[in-house]
Amino acid sequence: QQQVKQSPQSLIVQKGGISIINCAYENTAFDYFPWYQQFPGKGPALLIAIRPDVSEKKEGRFTISFNKSAKQFSLHIMDSQPGDSATYFCAASRGVSGAGSYQLTFGKGTKLSVIP
Amino acid sequence: DAGITQSPRYKITETGRQVTLMCHQTWSHSYMFWYRQDLGHGLRLIYYSAAADITDKGEVPDGYVVSRSKTENFPLTLESATRSQTSVYFCASRGAGYSYEQYFGPGTRLTVT
Repeated sequence: QQQVKQSPQSLIVQKGGISIINCAYENTAFDYFPWYQQFPGKGPALLIAIRPDVSEKKEGRFTISFNKSAKQFSLHIMDSQPGDSATYFCAASRGVSGAGSYQLTFGKGTKLSVIP
Repeated sequence: DAGITQSPRYKITETGRQVTLMCHQTWSHSYMFWYRQDLGHGLRLIYYSAAADITDKGEVPDGYVVSRSKTENFPLTLESATRSQTSVYFCASRGAGYSYEQYFGPGTRLTVT
């Protein structure tokens, strides 16, 4: 059973446009929601993360919007650039002690292509 | 400043052979993880370790074995490789404490023929 559902699978955006990727989760025990960025041939790298006590977090052109009641969160990339072309993964984690603590459950990924 | 490294970066092996993928981190992180990445499935956790000599299964552990005798190393062994284990394997680590951030290695692309 997939606990984090991500959409769309692929996204094509024109340079300067806004890229929006959505994720939905099921487990209300999740308390940490990161987004990872992965370039071809590289490992994923943390882009931005949010905890459920805030509804929005912004870092430069990247913003996470979080809706706790709907169990949804999204990544917005403003003024998208060709260099943003990558695969983006949302994830969720719960920070309980003991076995399984801090494990990340990933969405299936979104391949973003920003065209000039 | 090596961070987290994986070896080999590419491996081709035959069905039924044993193969070991290596992971080494220089941060003395407590937690280490192995994921596999497949098209349409994203990243799935195979095994993880909370400290030396402490390991546990993730979502897809069948056919894999791990060990962690030293904090900095976390090898993943495929005891008898199958074609379904053709994948890109990523190792990751994170420190103890409140930070959840996982740092990923560059990956190993494994092909089982």
